[in-house]
Amino acid sequence: DTEVTQTPKHLVMGMTNKKSLKCEQHMGHRAMYWYKQKAKKPPELMFVYSYEKLSINESVPSRFSPECPNSSLLNLHLHALQPEDSALYLCASSQEGGYSPLHFGNGTRLTVT
Amino acid sequence: QKEVEQNSGPLSVPEGAIASLNCTYSDRGSQSFFWYRQYSGKSPELIMFIYSNGDKEDGRFTAQLNKASQYVSLLIRDSQPSDSATYLCAVNGPGGYQKVTFGTGTKLQVIP
Repeated sequence: DTEVTQTPKHLVMGMTNKKSLKCEQHMGHRAMYWYKQKAKKPPELMFVYSYEKLSINESVPSRFSPECPNSSLLNLHLHALQPEDSALYLCASSQEGGYSPLHFGNGTRLTVT
Repeated sequence: QKEVEQNSGPLSVPEGAIASLNCTYSDRGSQSFFWYRQYSGKSPELIMFIYSNGDKEDGRFTAQLNKASQYVSLLIRDSQPSDSATYLCAVNGPGGYQKVTFGTGTKLQVIP
């Protein structure tokens, strides 16, 4: 069983919908991440929360909004997405940021119609 | 120049052989190096990590790091069909230690 839990596993949403992806880690880590992965491409970093401070990939559109209620929880709020946003969204955590390995959840497969 | 480069493959090896996967990176300031295995439709799974020059062994896996050449490799001994997957090399930086950058991955096929 993974110690990084993501919900839902699958999500289909229309371009006018608002939805949220959720992630919880039970590893005591202080850094949490959102990655986006398209088919046959590597994961691409979207957001990092380290000690509850946000770092952003400047290329991520504002229709993606992260939230970190506490060091164990991470949400990704989705609004007015486009079909090209369809992808596997991966949550990860690590002990001390980039020096430590990332531990991934099972991902949320998002389809935007 | 790509930040982290890998041969996309596929790399085909017979069962029981040694698979050698290679990765080069551009940022000399990188400190941490990781290998992840990803099965189709699944999330990446950590295989090995290495911080210092030299070799690090864990079971059938050996990671090798040469910072002078900006080169990291993964050897898989006694390859099994279950090792067939995409192997992602990941490096911290550039952009600070919080940014881990992935290579495009090498697809490994182990032929029974």
